[in-house]
Amino acid sequence: EIVLTQSPGTLSLFPGERATLSCRASQSVGRNFLAWFQQRPGQTPRLLIYDASSRATGIPDRFSGVVSGTDFTLTISRLEPEDFAVYYCQQYASYPLTFGGGTKVEIK
Amino acid sequence: EVQLVGSGGGLVQPGESLRLSCVASGVTLSNYWVAWFRQAPGKGLEWVANMNKDGSQMDYVGSVKGRFTISRDNAENSLYLQMNSLRAEDTAVYYCARGSGWLCEVWGHGTLVTVSS
Repeated sequence: EIVLTQSPGTLSLFPGERATLSCRASQSVGRNFLAWFQQRPGQTPRLLIYDASSRATGIPDRFSGVVSGTDFTLTISRLEPEDFAVYYCQQYASYPLTFGGGTKVEIK
Repeated sequence: EVQLVGSGGGLVQPGESLRLSCVASGVTLSNYWVAWFRQAPGKGLEWVANMNKDGSQMDYVGSVKGRFTISRDNAENSLYLQMNSLRAEDTAVYYCARGSGWLCEVWGHGTLVTVSS
């Protein structure tokens, strides 16, 4: 099973600041099949990034993803008010499909 | 607009069964893999099960194998999750989703399952 470890657990930032979220995999994620989801309070998760670095349809370009080995990073270049939420990484390369524990981005 | 609407959740006692349903609109579900995910209260996301386009291939997270069964009815544009021998740790909001392969791009509104005596 691929274990995904997200850090930090909570990120406190001001609107307009840059957010950098990390997701480390316990082993190689085949074909970099890693996605990032955003979940606002009381809402359904929304796909932001797939294949580690491709933006999903309708996702603004302030969201970007990169990968280096087993380290995946989601960057939000300038935080908008609607970006304060919980973010999850998920691998879909091998069973069981697994998620990281999440990073909460909160307003400072 | 693509919508997936889950239903069938509720309060059940340990050991009982429940069947969740998910109806799709604005999309032909038979063109996609489908899946169920869950989220325990205040916790993170967990994949539960998925199924390929024609229903011939399915897989489950270990904790539900032998108790839960995913199925689909492409004629009804629906998917289902039969949950037997429910346990307290199955308490969660359950989300249905559709995707291209194992990646689920679109998730439906969740339905809450509470297992408690």
